[in-house]
Amino acid sequence: QMQLVESGGGVVQPGGSLRLSCAASGFTFSKYGMHWVRQAPGKGLEWVAFIRYDGSHKYYADSVEGRFTISRDNSKNTQYLQMSSLRAEDTAVYYCAKDRSYYDFLEALDCWGQGTLVTVSS
Amino acid sequence: AIQLTQSPPSLSASVGDRVTITCRASQDISSALAWYRQKPGKTPKLLIYGASSLEGGVPSRFSGSGSGTDFTLTISSLQPEDFATYYCQQFNSYPWTFGQGTKVEIK
Repeated sequence: QMQLVESGGGVVQPGGSLRLSCAASGFTFSKYGMHWVRQAPGKGLEWVAFIRYDGSHKYYADSVEGRFTISRDNSKNTQYLQMSSLRAEDTAVYYCAKDRSYYDFLEALDCWGQGTLVTVSS
Repeated sequence: AIQLTQSPPSLSASVGDRVTITCRASQDISSALAWYRQKPGKTPKLLIYGASSLEGGVPSRFSGSGSGTDFTLTISSLQPEDFATYYCQQFNSYPWTFGQGTKVEIK
């Protein structure tokens, strides 16, 4: 069955950097757009970034634009989120999620990873 | 950015109750809306996509309706595993925003 496994979370100082990875299995990774969604402690879900199935287009929430970079390696069935200039308000569980429809049609997130916690603190 | 406003923010209900949650969009999003359930300490689970299509494997007690700016998620008979937080998300246009969530608690 479909599975997403995130890694790379941890504690980082303000201004620091971190790279998250998300390994996919159980589906044809290269056909689907992929997202990152985060959830601050005790808060709701916040969409963070999206990358097109072929990596040609990327979109970001205003809150992370210019600081975060989404990428993917279809040969490794893995997507990444490079985070830099981290702030306390970036503290959250980061989820990797797959779009339900393949290629260019976005309609829902039908598979989520277990999440990885990023804590930005001195 | 399109804003999604869910109501109520929280509600108390009993097992067997019929529950309705509303999601209102700040502009027309056609039928590009999904609903998720997130149990405490767990990852979100897709329930409904395209405003009214039931995701495979999701119990039929869940249903979605609406188009344009007003949407509803209905649980016809609340079960113990449905005490959770529910989120809507729009896919009409970037950024693909979520509602703030509705927490369903045990009465």
